[in-house]
Amino acid sequence: AQKVTQAQTEISVVEKEDVTLDCVYETRDTTYYLFWYKQPPSGELVFLIRRNSFDEQNEISGRYSWNFQKSTSSFNFTITASQVVDSAVYFCALTRAGAAGNKLTFGGGTRVLVKP
Amino acid sequence: DAGITQSPRHKVTETGTPVTLRCHQTENHRYMYWYRQDPGHGLRLIHYSYGVKDTDKGEVSDGYSVSRSKTEDFLLTLESATSSQTSVYFCAIRPGLAGDNEQFFGPGTRLTVL
Repeated sequence: AQKVTQAQTEISVVEKEDVTLDCVYETRDTTYYLFWYKQPPSGELVFLIRRNSFDEQNEISGRYSWNFQKSTSSFNFTITASQVVDSAVYFCALTRAGAAGNKLTFGGGTRVLVKP
Repeated sequence: DAGITQSPRHKVTETGTPVTLRCHQTENHRYMYWYRQDPGHGLRLIHYSYGVKDTDKGEVSDGYSVSRSKTEDFLLTLESATSSQTSVYFCAIRPGLAGDNEQFFGPGTRLTVL
C-alpha cells in the first residue's frame, strides 16, 4: 500500500521568510511519481510539479524549489522569500508508474499562512 | 485551463435523499476521477473511469456509484446521502495515456448533508 505523510499541519511565517514543507512517502514500487499541488483560499487545486523516481535532480522554479531524496523517501518543497499570495494548503501526492488508472495517493496537506 | 466544470457547485440536501454530481470535460480525455476532500485526509479517490462505461472503485467507494455514458461526462451518485458524505468533491482528468501524467482538477462541489 502507498502512503504519503505531511507531518506539518500548519506553518505560519512572516513575509520574506523561507518555508519548507516536508513530504515523506511509502511505496513498494521501484518506479513511481511524486507531485505537489497548491490549494489557495479560493479552493481550486493547482498542479505545481511532477517528479519521477529515477530522477533525483533537484528542481527550481522561481521562488519554488523541490528536494527529492530517494534514500529517505522524502520530497520536500521550499518557498523562498515567501509572499502573502503563497498562503494556501499544499498537498504532496504519489502514484505508481504505469499503473492502470494512475490513482493519486495524497498526504493530509500543510496549510501555509504568510503574514505581511 | 483544463476545461473541467462541475455542477452543482454547492448543494445542501437531507439524509436519505439521492444526489448526483456531474463532471464535464471539453477535451475528450480518457481518464476521469472523483475524489473527496476532508480535513486531515487530503483527497481520497472514490471512483475513476478509464473510458466510456469503464469504471473502477477507489479507496472510499462505499455509498457511491458512478456512470460514464459519454466521454465528456462522469457522474457521481450518492444513492441515499448520509451526513458522513458531507464533503468537498473534486473531479479530475488525466491527459494522455502514459502513467506519468499529472491530473488536473475541476473547481469542486461543496455538498452538505443535513
